[in-house]
Amino acid sequence: GAVVSQHPSRVICKSGTSVKIECRSLDFQATTMFWYRQFPKQSLMLMATSNEGSKATYEQGVEKDKFLINHASLTLSTLTVTSAHPEDSSFYICSAREREPYNEQFFGPGTRLTVL
Amino acid sequence: QKEVEQDPGPLSVPEGAIVSLNCTYSNSAFQYFMWYRQYSRKGPELLMYTYSSGNKEDGRFTAQVDKSSKYISLFIRDSQPSDSATYLCAMNSLDDYKLSFGAGTTVTVRA
Repeated sequence: GAVVSQHPSRVICKSGTSVKIECRSLDFQATTMFWYRQFPKQSLMLMATSNEGSKATYEQGVEKDKFLINHASLTLSTLTVTSAHPEDSSFYICSAREREPYNEQFFGPGTRLTVL
Repeated sequence: QKEVEQDPGPLSVPEGAIVSLNCTYSNSAFQYFMWYRQYSRKGPELLMYTYSSGNKEDGRFTAQVDKSSKYISLFIRDSQPSDSATYLCAMNSLDDYKLSFGAGTTVTVRA
């Protein structure tokens, strides 16, 4: 299957700082990327959908000023958690969808964010 | 009622047994059905991808889709301890890229 990478895999930061997470599709072009959040022993919660060259679409209840998403190219999307607080600590996972006519979504390995 | 229902388990089986997982859904517009495997602290890995109704086999894995019953299944034959993971079903419709996920079933294969 196609490969999606995320960087960093783990980050620990102080409360009030901003953290940027990168998501890259390594061997295919992704017109659409998705950002998820996952709490322990729970399923994935979609935060936003990111289309290359346009603004991200956020799910209800997700603060767009808190979670900034940029999809600058067909292989890169970034999630910036601004002014992070302990309640933002979570496992963040991105996925990338291949271009039409394909529909499969491939997930990155995830980023563990801990805010002290 | 959730759009996709999946028994979270946990499910514990002896090595070599057949693992049977399933999901039910309520949205008749769903056309694409996926099974993902997720190891602890890792991202989900796509195992099986099927379109509409029917069966698909890949090695020890068999995915079945019954759209008339809104029911999908994943079977793992000759299960191994390395199959111990959480299995998530996911699905979407023709005009919506967003995936709807089940809660995930935690499977343990005992050596």
